Amino acid sequence: AQTVTQSQPEMSVQEAETVTLSCTYDTSESDYYLFWYKQPPSRQMILVIRQEAYKQQNATENRFSVNFQKAAKSFSLKISDSQLGDAAMYFCAYRNNNNDMRFGAGTRLTVKP
Amino acid sequence: SQTIHQWPATLVQPVGSPLSLECTVEGTSNPNLYWYRQAAGRGLQLLFYSVGIGQISSEVPQNLSASRPQDRQFILSSKKLLLSDSGFYLCAWTRDSYNEQFFGPGTRLTVL
Repeated sequence: AQTVTQSQPEMSVQEAETVTLSCTYDTSESDYYLFWYKQPPSRQMILVIRQEAYKQQNATENRFSVNFQKAAKSFSLKISDSQLGDAAMYFCAYRNNNNDMRFGAGTRLTVKP
Repeated sequence: SQTIHQWPATLVQPVGSPLSLECTVEGTSNPNLYWYRQAAGRGLQLLFYSVGIGQISSEVPQNLSASRPQDRQFILSSKKLLLSDSGFYLCAWTRDSYNEQFFGPGTRLTVL
């Protein structure tokens, strides 16, 4: 079974600085998708970024980028120029082609002014 | 554009009472639908998913059931709630296996 591990329960970053959230996963499949979701205090799940496993190029969305290392099964999220509004729970997620979607336990990010 | 609705937003129920949570999607057809539960401070646990009307797959054995009576309607039910059923329930949809899931606003369920 696929598992997703986020080894950092909590992280803290100074406003305007850069922070990296870690995620590793376990799978025997070669074709899958990886996601980072953000859950602010409102608890609405918001997609931050996605990565297709067949793409070697790391995905980027404005201040958010990933470091996808397929061989190492690692998928970290880098947030540049952190803003107060980035404070939230961040979930890493894995999905295969059979509707199997798994989430990590989450990392709570605090942004200090 | 597509939107997903869940209701109620919050619910407090006594142990042993029935449960019905509803999720509907607008602006798309034949979506894949999902029910998740999120315990306090925890990640998401997939409970059920559906790829079509009347088609339900269960991920974990539990006190809950799901139904899909219409293409864009997904219902989470229980005949008798347990204390352990308390949590935050999220419904999500996706077009197919290749796209990300979009989540509803969630229902906070407290069983007393």
